Amino acid sequence: AQTVTQSQPEMSVQEAETVTLSCTYDTSESDYYLFWYKQPPSRQMILVIRQEAYKQQNATENRFSVNFQKAAKSFSLKISDSQLGDAAMYFCAYRGGGSEKLVFGKGTKLTVNP
Amino acid sequence: AAGVIQSPRHLIKEKRETATLKCYPIPRHDTVYWYQQGPGQDPQFLISFYEKMQSDKGSIPDRFSAQQFSDYHSELNMSSLELGDSALYFCASSRPRTSGAETQYFGPGTRLLVL
Repeated sequence: AQTVTQSQPEMSVQEAETVTLSCTYDTSESDYYLFWYKQPPSRQMILVIRQEAYKQQNATENRFSVNFQKAAKSFSLKISDSQLGDAAMYFCAYRGGGSEKLVFGKGTKLTVNP
Repeated sequence: AAGVIQSPRHLIKEKRETATLKCYPIPRHDTVYWYQQGPGQDPQFLISFYEKMQSDKGSIPDRFSAQQFSDYHSELNMSSLELGDSALYFCASSRPRTSGAETQYFGPGTRLLVL
């Protein structure tokens, strides 16, 4: 079964600084997708960024970018120019190419200090 | 842009009662997914439906059932509620399988409290 591991239960960053959240996964599949979701205190699950495993280029969405290392099965999220509104729980998620479900990591709670 | 709609947003039930949660996917999305998130936990996949047929099943208790209707909305029926069923229930939807079907967009969730 696929597993997703987020080794940092909590992280903190100063406003305007850069922070990287780690995620590793375990799979034997070659076709899959990876996601980062943000869950603020409202508990809404908000898609931050997605990466297709067949793409070598790292995904980027404005201040958010990923470092996808397929061989190492690593998928880290970099947040640049951190803002107070970035404070939230961040979940890394995996979806196999032949599966419907998302498998989530345990999450990393990000605090942004003014 | 339209988002996934879930109702009710909050629900309080007694043990052994029944609850029905509703989900209205983003327009033109044809697949819906249900997740359960306990306090301090990550979301756990329950079940999914594509074109009104069950497409995948996760750790959904036998006391729970779900279906998708012809207008693509879905309902999660929960019977004989237990204290441990208290959680945030998310519905998500995704686009048709010809384009971008792998990305799931989540609704705001239904907070269920079982007393």
